[in-house]
Amino acid sequence: AQSVTQLDSQVPVFEEAPVELRCNYSSSVSVYLFWYVQYPNQGLQLLLKYLSGSTLVKGINGFEAEFNKSQTSFHLRKPSVHISDTAEYFCAITRGSGGSNYKLTFGKGTLLTVNP
Amino acid sequence: DAGITQSPRHKVTETGTPVTLRCHQTENHRYMYWYRQDPGHGLRLIHYSYGVKDTDKGEVSDGYSVSRSKTEDFLLTLESATSSQTSVYFCAISEPPGGTGRGSTFFGQGTRLTVV
Repeated sequence: AQSVTQLDSQVPVFEEAPVELRCNYSSSVSVYLFWYVQYPNQGLQLLLKYLSGSTLVKGINGFEAEFNKSQTSFHLRKPSVHISDTAEYFCAITRGSGGSNYKLTFGKGTLLTVNP
Repeated sequence: DAGITQSPRHKVTETGTPVTLRCHQTENHRYMYWYRQDPGHGLRLIHYSYGVKDTDKGEVSDGYSVSRSKTEDFLLTLESATSSQTSVYFCAISEPPGGTGRGSTFFGQGTRLTVV
């Protein structure tokens, strides 16, 4: 069985400050990893993904994440946040190579609130 | 946009009535999914499909059924709606990696269902 733990349910930060949203996972097989963002009353938008290759991946809106296999982590970072980054962020994994029909297992989400 | 349309976007129904939610894709993808989103739970998989007439259960499938008679349409039916099925329902499609595939899952805008 796979699981995803997002260590913080809420993260408040001030505008222009750096932020890190933490994600740890558990899996007995290789995985693909994803971060999604959800703005109020909207669907989920893919921020970035790790499938293979370089462990540092860059996504949209200035976000990046680093895959650490030994720590089983995939933390999301942004060096300077804006008010418009206020949203809920979800970390998700699926079994690598499609062994699970690409079903996603999600963390419970982290609400990022950027204050002026 | 990933070419996913969910209908209806909002619905209020009474306990005990059947309800069908529709997901339509224009991407011709093989894999389709229904998730529900509830506060504090993230997104949980209800059912998924890996081809026409090929479906399987997810982690929260009790009280739900699905059908896929065409590649582009995936229907979710609540056989007899209960208050515990009040939720936001998301349809998703997956594009496996390799070739022109982006190795990503894309979500519709969601259906907010209230069972009274």
